[in-house]
This record gives sequence, C-alpha cells and structure tokens, in this order.
Amino acid sequence: GNSVTQMEGPVTLSEEAFLTINCTYTATGYPSLFWYVQYPGEGLQLLLKATKADDKGSNKGFEATYRKETTSFHLEKGSVQVSDSAVYFCALIPREGYNKLIFGAGTRLAVHP
Amino acid sequence: DTAVSQTPKYLVTQMGNDKSIKCEQNLGHDTMYWYKQDSKKFLKIMFSYNNKELIINETVPNRFSPKSPDKAHLNLHINSLELGDSAVYFCASSQDGRGRSTEAFFGQGTRLTVV
Repeated sequence: GNSVTQMEGPVTLSEEAFLTINCTYTATGYPSLFWYVQYPGEGLQLLLKATKADDKGSNKGFEATYRKETTSFHLEKGSVQVSDSAVYFCALIPREGYNKLIFGAGTRLAVHP
Repeated sequence: DTAVSQTPKYLVTQMGNDKSIKCEQNLGHDTMYWYKQDSKKFLKIMFSYNNKELIINETVPNRFSPKSPDKAHLNLHINSLELGDSAVYFCASSQDGRGRSTEAFFGQGTRLTVV
C-alpha cells in the first residue's frame, strides 16, 4: 500500500540553524510528493512539491528533492527563523486513482531566538 | 476573502447528538475533500466529491454522511456522535480530482469535541 514515514518530533532548533526533516515513502509506481505546513490554529498550506524523480521543489528557503532510489523527500532549510515554527507534513498522491493526499504523521518544529 | 471556509470553527456536543459541519470554497474548484486530524495530528482522508459526485469514500462509519449540494459546497453530517469522533475536521478543495500535481487548499478546520 501507500504510506509516508516522517521523523518524529519535536525538532527544536535555534534561529539560523540548519533544518532537515526526513521523509520516506512507500508507493506503487511514482507518486507526486508534497510538503505541507500547518501554523498554529490554521489549516494546512502547500510548502513545496515535486512530481517526478530528481525534481527539486523549493519555496521560502525550503527545499526537497524527489529521490526515487532512496524513496525519500527530505525537507531542508539552511537557516531557520522563529516564524518557521509549525508542524510539517510530508505527503504523497498515488499514481493511480483519484487524488487523495496520504500524509505522514507530521513533525513539529520549534525555533527559538 | 477566505478561499475555503468552514463553520463552525469549534463544536462541543454531547454523545449521541447529531451535528453538521459546513464547507464552502470560492476558488472555482471541481473537487472537495474532508480530512480528519486526530489528537496526535495524524491526517487521513474521509471523502472526496468531484462536481457533486462522490469519488472517494474511505473506511468511515456510516454515521458520517457527506453532502454536496453544488460543487462549491461540501457538508459533513455526523449522526449519533461518539467520544472517538473528537478530532479536527478539515475541508479542502483542488482544481480537479486526478491531476497529480494539483495543490489542495485547506480550510482552517473544525475542532469537534464530544463529551
């Protein structure tokens, strides 16, 4: 079946630190991959996406590369800010069938000044 | 202007009651969804409608019944509420139901607490 595994949080960093949140997936064929972010009290927002192998998604300083050989889509940012504190969800849409986002468990990031 | 709006934002009710959550999108999208987020933040799809037609129906108790009067609205009615139904329910929409790169836009969520 299709599934997404993310590193458990919380991840606690100081401002300007380097961020990596690991994400691996299991899927039939080549799914589309996404990172969504949920700020406190809000719904989810798309952060970035990649639809085929070796694609790199990027937005607001965050990056993730679709690696089919390791079935991974790790999220990175070179220098985090306090405003990046949120819950980050890795997700996939399977290749077949109607669109449905299959989410990982989410990783809470807390950035301190 | 809110793209995907849900009402109410908070809902506290007793076991056994029936309640509804409403969702509206003004993005002109064809597809709408209901997702459930449990107390551990885990998100799982419940239903999806495309142009008022049910296209995804995950393993959800029959007590949950979605209704889509038109493609801009998707409501969720829950009968005989149970303690385990306590969660945050998110409505979402996307341009279509099959585009693999289609972004989903989420509402702010409805926090349902069953006491």
